Amino acid sequence: DAKTTQPTSMDCAEGRAANLPCNHSTISGNEYVYWYRQIHSQGPQYIIHGLKNNETNEMASLIITEDRKSSTLILPHATLRDTAVYYCIVRPSLDDKIIFGKGTRLHILP
Amino acid sequence: DSGVTQTPKHLITATGQRVTLRCSPRSGDLSVYWYQQSLDQGLQFLIQYYNGEERAKGNILERFSAQQFPDLHSELNLSSLELGDSALYFCASSAHTTGVNTIYFGEGSWLTVV
Repeated sequence: DAKTTQPTSMDCAEGRAANLPCNHSTISGNEYVYWYRQIHSQGPQYIIHGLKNNETNEMASLIITEDRKSSTLILPHATLRDTAVYYCIVRPSLDDKIIFGKGTRLHILP
Repeated sequence: DSGVTQTPKHLITATGQRVTLRCSPRSGDLSVYWYQQSLDQGLQFLIQYYNGEERAKGNILERFSAQQFPDLHSELNLSSLELGDSALYFCASSAHTTGVNTIYFGEGSWLTVV
């Protein structure tokens, strides 16, 4: 699996946009970028995924650079409930398992 | 609610004992995955089953085994338990359709070995 690099932790003020970066310089052409989050000891929650184009859903936006070597997850209006560990994962479309790294611990500050 | 159901939610048992954790995948999902998360540790992939067959194996100890039944539910069996086996065990499932297979996780089973 391709490796990802994420900051260990980040802070964001409540109500502001939280921008979480991820580097995946060895990503292959058919591999997707997935984002999950884990709110303290709960099951990991799927957020969004993308291949080449930017994606948006009700939870977040995913911006993937043109060379696909990095991406940014954007939570547009962070709330205290968004405090969690966020995992950026690169996964081949036909390889089912997900391998988690250490992720980014995001603290939303009141 | 992801649709993945795990039982029991909490379990306390003694060293040397054996326990079984149960997982019901989302309706229609053919793949089931098991993960372990120890205190302050990351999520470790243990094993994956697809439609009853073992598909991928990760860091699963020989004392642990799993199976997926014809109704697609899965069980993770942990035997000769040690204190270090205390952890959160997550089950996940995916539809395993061609292309993108989003994996959805249950809320986990807390295992405490005393």
